[in-house]
Amino acid sequence: DSGVTQTPKHLITATGQRVTLRCSPRSGDLSVYWYQQSLDQGLQFLIQYYNGEERAKGNILERFSAQQFPDLHSELNLSSLELGDSALYFCASSVSGTAGNTIYFGEGSWLTVV
Amino acid sequence: EDKVVQSPLSLVVHEGDTVTLNCSYEVTNFRSLLWYKQEKKAPTFLFMLTSSGIEKKSGRLSSILDKKELSSILNITATQTGDSAIYLCAVSGTASKLTFGTGTRLQVTL
Repeated sequence: DSGVTQTPKHLITATGQRVTLRCSPRSGDLSVYWYQQSLDQGLQFLIQYYNGEERAKGNILERFSAQQFPDLHSELNLSSLELGDSALYFCASSVSGTAGNTIYFGEGSWLTVV
Repeated sequence: EDKVVQSPLSLVVHEGDTVTLNCSYEVTNFRSLLWYKQEKKAPTFLFMLTSSGIEKKSGRLSSILDKKELSSILNITATQTGDSAIYLCAVSGTASKLTFGTGTRLQVTL
């Protein structure tokens, strides 16, 4: 158990809908990362927050957004869902937001869009 | 853009064999290279390497970084069926995010 908690574990929803994935980082970690993992593309970095502020942005679609709250938990919002958004969404956390840190992953939220 | 390439993509070995997994990278202002093991879901951390030539070891697993060649290897000796997993290599550079390779799928058979 990495200490990173993600909910829900599984989610099935229809195209066009909107979902919110939730993440609680390890105790003491200030930085949260979101990754998307699909079968054909491996782990793709979406976005990073550090202590409530956006720190780095990857290949995140405009239909997706995220935020980190004062208690450091984070949410990833996915809207106007398409079939291709079906994937495993990981949250990870690290102590600081600087390079060279080990990041620890949650168990992931498996999203299926039908 | 940072890039990580792992080889082979997939590997099937017999229990007891030794395997070597490869990772090569291109990254701006390299900071560290990390290895993760992914079984069913969450990638679990194995090693972080920052200095060239220093071997990190944990039981039957070991890894070395070659900063001159921009690569790293992960060795697993006396493989067991429990080693079956996807092994992911990731690098961090100027940005704190990790860039992952697509992984090597290792299957250890009896």
